[in-house]
Amino acid sequence: AQSVSQHNHHVILSEAASLELGCNYSYGGTVNLFWYVQYPGQHLQLLLKYFSGDPLVKGIKGFEAEFIKSKFSFNLRKPSVQWSDTAEYFCAVDRSGGYQKVTFGTGTKLQVIP
Amino acid sequence: DGGITQSPKYLFRKEGQNVTLSCEQNLNHDAMYWYRQDPGQGLRLIYYSQIVNDFQKGDIAEGYSVSREKKESFPLTVTSAQKNPTAFYLCASSIGDPNEKLFFGSGTQLSVL
Repeated sequence: AQSVSQHNHHVILSEAASLELGCNYSYGGTVNLFWYVQYPGQHLQLLLKYFSGDPLVKGIKGFEAEFIKSKFSFNLRKPSVQWSDTAEYFCAVDRSGGYQKVTFGTGTKLQVIP
Repeated sequence: DGGITQSPKYLFRKEGQNVTLSCEQNLNHDAMYWYRQDPGQGLRLIYYSQIVNDFQKGDIAEGYSVSREKKESFPLTVTSAQKNPTAFYLCASSIGDPNEKLFFGSGTQLSVL
């Protein structure tokens, strides 16, 4: 079965620190990859996505993610976090070529301390 | 404004009772989804529907039922067979293309009395 693993469940950082959240998936075929974010009291929303082309994708608010096919990974990065980045982050995988069926990781809660 | 509306925001279920969670979208999306969110377990897919009058089981469909009689509506019934229904339920929709993102509602928190 397709699975998505997020290694960090809770991350606490000071403002201006660099962020990297890990995401690995188990499916061996072609995939579409997403990072969603849920800010406190808000809907889940798309942060960035990869479906083809440049494996380094840039999203909103200075976030980026790198797809490394050989490692089945899609880690999320930001060089310098802000207090407003405090949220829960979900990695998600969709197997390309068929009907859309997205599998989510367990989520990582990021707390940024001013 | 276009979006997804879930109601109610909070719902309480008594033992042996079926309850129905509403999800309505005005985005003209073909695909709709129900996810269950539990602490430490992320989002797990309950049911999804790619088109009206058709739906498929997700990873944790036992104890749940759905219908898709209209494009804009995808209600979820939590039946008495679901022994651990307390969770946060999220409805989502999309145009159905695997390259496209999901749009989420604000969720319903279901608790057992």
